[in-house]
Amino acid sequence: GENVEQHPSTLSVQEGDSAVIKCTYSDSASNYFPWYKQELGKRPQLIIDIRSNVGEKKDQRIAVTLNKTAKHFSLHITETQPEDSAVYFCAVKRGSQGNLIFGKGTKLSVKP
Amino acid sequence: ETGVTQTPRHLVMGMTNKKSLKCEQHLGHNAMYWYKQSAKKPLELMFVYSLEERVENNSVPSRFSPECPNSSHLFLHLHTLQPEDSALYLCASSQGPGRRNEQFFGPGTRLTVL
Repeated sequence: GENVEQHPSTLSVQEGDSAVIKCTYSDSASNYFPWYKQELGKRPQLIIDIRSNVGEKKDQRIAVTLNKTAKHFSLHITETQPEDSAVYFCAVKRGSQGNLIFGKGTKLSVKP
Repeated sequence: ETGVTQTPRHLVMGMTNKKSLKCEQHLGHNAMYWYKQSAKKPLELMFVYSLEERVENNSVPSRFSPECPNSSHLFLHLHTLQPEDSALYLCASSQGPGRRNEQFFGPGTRLTVL
């Protein structure tokens, strides 16, 4: 089955710096790669996603890049703010019928 | 409240109790999911229902019993749980297989088994 590895498990940055979180997957047939943000005590919410026919997608301060050959994708947050502090989960889905397989999460702390 | 709701938000139960978790979605979705979220572990998919039919059971112990009476409601019946079952149980919904992939999560039920 699919195996999703997420690194780092914790990340601390200064406000204004950039943050990068990386995930690797094992199934080359996977074709959908979302990122979820879960603030303390709240539900996970989708922040950005990318499909396998696209190499990069950007939405304001966040971007996701996908390297299908190497089977990894990354979340990039620029100009970080304290409200970006949360746990971020990557996920992978195979085909239209597949379920999401989640990474273990990265706890991001942005220090003012 | 719109979106996906869950009740109760917190539950404390003994190992011999029987309780049920409830999830309701107001998004017109066709697929619903139960996840278990424990500390330092990834989100673990437990059950998937598509058009009220269970399509996946990820080797979940029989002390967890799901029920999906219609496409808007999902239950998780609990009986003779173990302390290691203490976790946050999240419900989610999506438009269904083959359609938009985004899953919308409920706020979760924090379960403590004594």
